[in-house]
Amino acid sequence: KAGVTQTPRYLIKTRGQQVTLSCSPISGHRSVSWYQQTPGQGLQFLFEYFSETQRNKGNFPGRFSGRQFSNSRSEMNVSTLELGDSALYLCASRPPGLAGLSTDTQYFGPGTRLTVL
Amino acid sequence: AQRVTQPEKLLSVFKGAPVELKCNYSYSGSPELFWYVQYSRQRLQLLLRHISRESIKGFTADLNKGETSFHLKKPFAQEEDSAMYYCALYGYNKLIFGAGTRLAVHP
Repeated sequence: KAGVTQTPRYLIKTRGQQVTLSCSPISGHRSVSWYQQTPGQGLQFLFEYFSETQRNKGNFPGRFSGRQFSNSRSEMNVSTLELGDSALYLCASRPPGLAGLSTDTQYFGPGTRLTVL
Repeated sequence: AQRVTQPEKLLSVFKGAPVELKCNYSYSGSPELFWYVQYSRQRLQLLLRHISRESIKGFTADLNKGETSFHLKKPFAQEEDSAMYYCALYGYNKLIFGAGTRLAVHP
């Protein structure tokens, strides 16, 4: 099976702009999670989607939003970009478990490197 | 609140030496704990999970609920083990990562 893919791989934006990142999970995986990775804060959970519904959200401002489509592909959007949003954004998918709840392994994509100037 | 602590940012050892990467956690329920590894220029990948009780690439980790620890161990380090290691806890529908420990194995 193909792994988790993320597009674009690199992105440069300026402050105040907005950005949309895309994630395609492994075929058959219905759960998609997003993480922000920075040198200072490490890996931080943004949100998780399952069957087009946001199931959990991390401690990020409302400028960070996401959605999931019926084919399980997911997008995350960051509006009014700030310098501190520069980071590697990782997407991960995992296989379905009992009633859609699973603590099974998360498979990570290569990430999108966002630079805000 | 759930939290994962990896006290060492960098662990530097020589090839053949034993390795122990420390991880402590805070969680009110029964934790699901994982070790993820990120080799240079590769994506983050699962190394092992506590419920599997497996040994992967010679690494093992034992969950100690009394000490709330999940330390990663390997008896003899190899140069190819050099990477960033993250301890993670799954709870309340999210994966919480520690800050990570960089393992550098010198020849």
